[in-house]
Amino acid sequence: EAQVTQNPRYLITVTGKKLTVTCSQNMNHEYMSWYRQDPGLGLRQIYYSMNVEVTDKGDVPEGYKVSRKEKRNFPLILESPSPNQTSLYFCASSFGSLNEQFFGPGTRLTVL
Amino acid sequence: EDQVTQSPEALRLQEGESSSLNCSYTVSGLRGLFWYRQDPGKGPDFLFTLYSAGEEKEKERLKATLTKKESFLHITAPKPEDSATYLCASGGNSGYALNFGKGTSLLVTP
Repeated sequence: EAQVTQNPRYLITVTGKKLTVTCSQNMNHEYMSWYRQDPGLGLRQIYYSMNVEVTDKGDVPEGYKVSRKEKRNFPLILESPSPNQTSLYFCASSFGSLNEQFFGPGTRLTVL
Repeated sequence: EDQVTQSPEALRLQEGESSSLNCSYTVSGLRGLFWYRQDPGKGPDFLFTLYSAGEEKEKERLKATLTKKESFLHITAPKPEDSATYLCASGGNSGYALNFGKGTSLLVTP
């Protein structure tokens, strides 16, 4: 089944404790992206990747890191999480930035 | 700065009552305008991509249109199962980033 998977789905952590949210797709997509969704602010792009080893900042990259060492994986890293990073996070993938994006099920992160 | 603005924020319709959702964009060199549907607690699902002014696409009760300044999502004779948040997004000349609007929350009552 073609899909985007994210792990974990739910995470409660404390300020400053490094964490990684994994994202994997099995559709051989080149373009992958991370978004956060907050009430009243909508879906905002954090980082995106056009291909392996090629990444760029979206609208809200501060406090986040990404890497794209393999085509199928695009992990989101929070080196020192803060409470303002409490949000619902989505990973998405597509053949290109102008193609249909397939979204993962979301990761709900709470930073205390 | 590229911007996408959706209106209204929320819309309540009776079953069968047709209406339109609006997406206004200010994007330098629009390369694509996208519509997605999002159900509560889930990731968005793709509906349409429009590439140039005058283009129209249809799917069941939904029809998306595009002008040089805005896009409309027309919903004809909606059913309760059409209740969801509808998101609009743009891709412009400023690289490969995508810009989402805040969405329109649609509720269709029987």
